[in-house]
Amino acid sequence: AQSVTQLGSHVSVSEGALVLLRCNYSSSVPPYLFWYVQYPNQGLQLLLKYTSAATLVKGINGFEAEFKKSETSFHLTKPSAHMSDAAEYLCAVDQGAQKLVFGQGTRLTINP
Amino acid sequence: KAGVTQTPRYLIKTRGQQVTLSCSPISGHRSVSWYQQTPGQGLQFLFEYFSETQRNKGNFPGRFSGRQFSNSRSEMNVSTLELGDSALYLCASSLVPPTGNDMNTEAFFGQGTRLTVV
Repeated sequence: AQSVTQLGSHVSVSEGALVLLRCNYSSSVPPYLFWYVQYPNQGLQLLLKYTSAATLVKGINGFEAEFKKSETSFHLTKPSAHMSDAAEYLCAVDQGAQKLVFGQGTRLTINP
Repeated sequence: KAGVTQTPRYLIKTRGQQVTLSCSPISGHRSVSWYQQTPGQGLQFLFEYFSETQRNKGNFPGRFSGRQFSNSRSEMNVSTLELGDSALYLCASSLVPPTGNDMNTEAFFGQGTRLTVV
């Protein structure tokens, strides 16, 4: 079965600093991978998705992720953190029939 | 275009009771999935319905059930509530093609129903 692992349940960065959130996947076939963001007491919003068309995927709000097959990773980055980026970030793999398998999530805190 | 609507937003129930949660998908979306989110287990897949048929089911006890109506609206029911059922229940809808591979189809999530069992 496909799965994802997010390293670091909490990440804290200073405003303006680089954001790096880690996601590793386990899959025997080319995976479909997603990053979602969740604000407190809200649903999930899609940041970006890997479709195999390009290994570097650009998403909303300045985020991007790079698919690295050799490292089975799909890490999320943003060059300069903004206070509004504080949220929960979830990596997910699509197992088909609309079943997403999520990682445990990473809570991002931005320090002023 | 209206998003995914879940009602109610908040609910408090007593152990042993049952509860029904509702989800209205985005217009035109025929696939509806349900997820449970808790601090300990994270986001876990409950089940998915497409054209009134359950296509996929997660690893949850039979107390958790669902259904989908002809207008694609979906309900999930939890019977004999336990304290551990306290969670945020999220619904997602997708524009799945009638045939072919439906992987990599974006799921649009509602704001969730926060269920507290006391």
